[in-house]
Amino acid sequence: NAGVTQTPKFRVLKTGQSMTLLCAQDMNHEYMYWYRQDPGMGLRLIHYSVGEGTTAKGEVPDGYNVSRLKKQNFLLGLESAAPSQTSVYFCASSLSSMNTEAFFGQGTRLTVV
Amino acid sequence: RKEVEQDPGPFNVPEGATVAFNCTYSNSASQSFFWYRQDCRKEPKLLMSVYSSGNEDGRFTAQLNRASQYISLLIRDSKLSDSATYLCVATGLVDSGGYNKLIFGAGTRLAVHP
Repeated sequence: NAGVTQTPKFRVLKTGQSMTLLCAQDMNHEYMYWYRQDPGMGLRLIHYSVGEGTTAKGEVPDGYNVSRLKKQNFLLGLESAAPSQTSVYFCASSLSSMNTEAFFGQGTRLTVV
Repeated sequence: RKEVEQDPGPFNVPEGATVAFNCTYSNSASQSFFWYRQDCRKEPKLLMSVYSSGNEDGRFTAQLNRASQYISLLIRDSKLSDSATYLCVATGLVDSGGYNKLIFGAGTRLAVHP
């Protein structure tokens, strides 16, 4: 039972490079989320999706783009990485955002040098 | 002001102690609340839901006070294995696009020592 799977688990980027983080869930969940977690800041919502083909901005969307072309996948893109985007990124999914548990992937540790 | 706020701690307590965490939320329209636990360098996992009537799961008790817009988590008889960061979560926060959001607090760190 895979649950929520994130790839890659670790990555080092140079400033200005681009990359895509992939999140896949096999629970048929409607909602998917991307968070970043920084020391002392907790989990901050970057973007989220309430269903296939939809996306919405969270608290800290600048510098990121997302796509939800298939229900099971939620992609997070960094077009031009900056050192300020060094963080741990977590993807999560839930059946809805009401009264239901959110399941998290194991996280992606990204360092931008 | 953050939508969900917690005391960051750390709370350093001896084994067997009772410890309480509080969390406040700013949006009175929030409808559902949870406590998550996050171990060091791991992903958050659901600890328990928080109901209006209060709920208990073993040594853990969660309470919701809608009038004051805060939720609490009480841990009795602390164990070494309770050492973790505890995250408060509010859901049902509708944004300008009409979508519901899942918002986490920054977390409260608990360290239980022998």
